[in-house]
Amino acid sequence: SQQGEEDPQALSIQEGENATMNCSYKTSINNLQWYRQNSGRGLVHLILIRSNEREKHSGRLRVTLDTSKKSSSLLITASRAADTASYFCATGSSNTGKLIFGQGTTLQVKP
Amino acid sequence: GAVVSQHPSRVICKSGTSVKIECRSLDFQATTMFWYRQFPKQSLMLMATSNEGSKATYEQGVEKDKFLINHASLTLSTLTVTSAHPEDSSFYICSARDRFSGETQYFGPGTRLLVL
Repeated sequence: SQQGEEDPQALSIQEGENATMNCSYKTSINNLQWYRQNSGRGLVHLILIRSNEREKHSGRLRVTLDTSKKSSSLLITASRAADTASYFCATGSSNTGKLIFGQGTTLQVKP
Repeated sequence: GAVVSQHPSRVICKSGTSVKIECRSLDFQATTMFWYRQFPKQSLMLMATSNEGSKATYEQGVEKDKFLINHASLTLSTLTVTSAHPEDSSFYICSARDRFSGETQYFGPGTRLLVL
């Protein structure tokens, strides 16, 4: 079963703008991970944030985690057309190693 | 970086036949691998956890006799879709955890199965 929801389901922006995607989950987690998937392809790991961390940066990516609200956000700054893809959050369990994925956000960046 | 491969990348088969999909960790050892399926425009659904040297653990609603999983070595897990039907047509993706640095899962490129 799916852990939670992401919003928006779809997002269309102009190149250079920032894109923010949100993820909510239901149960306690050990970590939360964000992945990107280009159409018909496998997943690319973007960033992992642990439950005791509140914010993490990687290049143009910024991820926040609020465990009290059971939510996370992914911010992509200065977006590029190549960022066009689907983005998924996934919550991880340290015990089982399982990842439970959110519904995903489809991002379109127009040149 | 860690690389996971899948073979075949796409397969078309007739209804009633069985199809085997391989998932290999190329430059690391994985005691645990995971199998997901993804329908068009949907998210990944975890099917089962593949454990090296022991039986796989299936998620609720996934038929273990339908989706046979074998994890015979630290670098290979196989998923066999038995007696495939058109509704089994999907994108199957595996992932693997490095046995020595376990939090990150590395995903394969996926296998697209079409059952006619």
